[in-house]
Amino acid sequence: QKEVEQNSGPLSVPEGAIASLNCTYSDRVSQSFFWYRQYSGKSPELIMSIYSNGDKEDGRFTAQLNKASQYVSLLIRDSQPSDSATYLCAVDSKLTFGKGITLSVRP
Amino acid sequence: GAGVSQSPSNKVTEKGKDVELRCDPISGHTALYWYRQSLGQGLEFLIYFQGNSAPDKSGLPSDRFSAERTGGSVSTLTIQRTQQEDSAVYLCASSLAAGDGTGELFFGEGSRLTVL
Repeated sequence: QKEVEQNSGPLSVPEGAIASLNCTYSDRVSQSFFWYRQYSGKSPELIMSIYSNGDKEDGRFTAQLNKASQYVSLLIRDSQPSDSATYLCAVDSKLTFGKGITLSVRP
Repeated sequence: GAGVSQSPSNKVTEKGKDVELRCDPISGHTALYWYRQSLGQGLEFLIYFQGNSAPDKSGLPSDRFSAERTGGSVSTLTIQRTQQEDSAVYLCASSLAAGDGTGELFFGEGSRLTVL
């Protein structure tokens, strides 16, 4: 059974800092990886997808994938209070989700 | 509609009653997913429909849970003889599936079920 682990958190960072969110997965043949953001009381929304080893940057967000280590991460640069949310890592078709990491950005 | 629509948004029921939750996906999306999210938890996969293929029911927690998708569009999740542990937010999502179903999921606002 596919497993997605997000063991760290909750995470609190000061405004302007870099927030680093980590995720590991168990199925070595997984091909697609996603980060969703979920504000309190709201539904998840996709913020990043990554399919190849390495880094993928989109504005203040960078997704990093290391298939050999079965590890995917999300970096948020210049963190803002509006980034405060739960970040869910998801893997592959049917999208197996981790439990999420709650990020709080302190003004 | 412009987005995924779910109804009811809130449902309070008594233990042992049956409930039906409805999802109307984005027009043209062939893939439809049901997830369950308990308080403070991640998303638990329940069932996945892709086009006319047989649904993937591997996530349904018991035989009290069932779902159907009529005409490749609207889906109904039915929970029979509800139990208190069924209390959660039930999220529906749809996507333009390609091949194995990878792709961005668009979520509805969810149906919050409370079983007393």
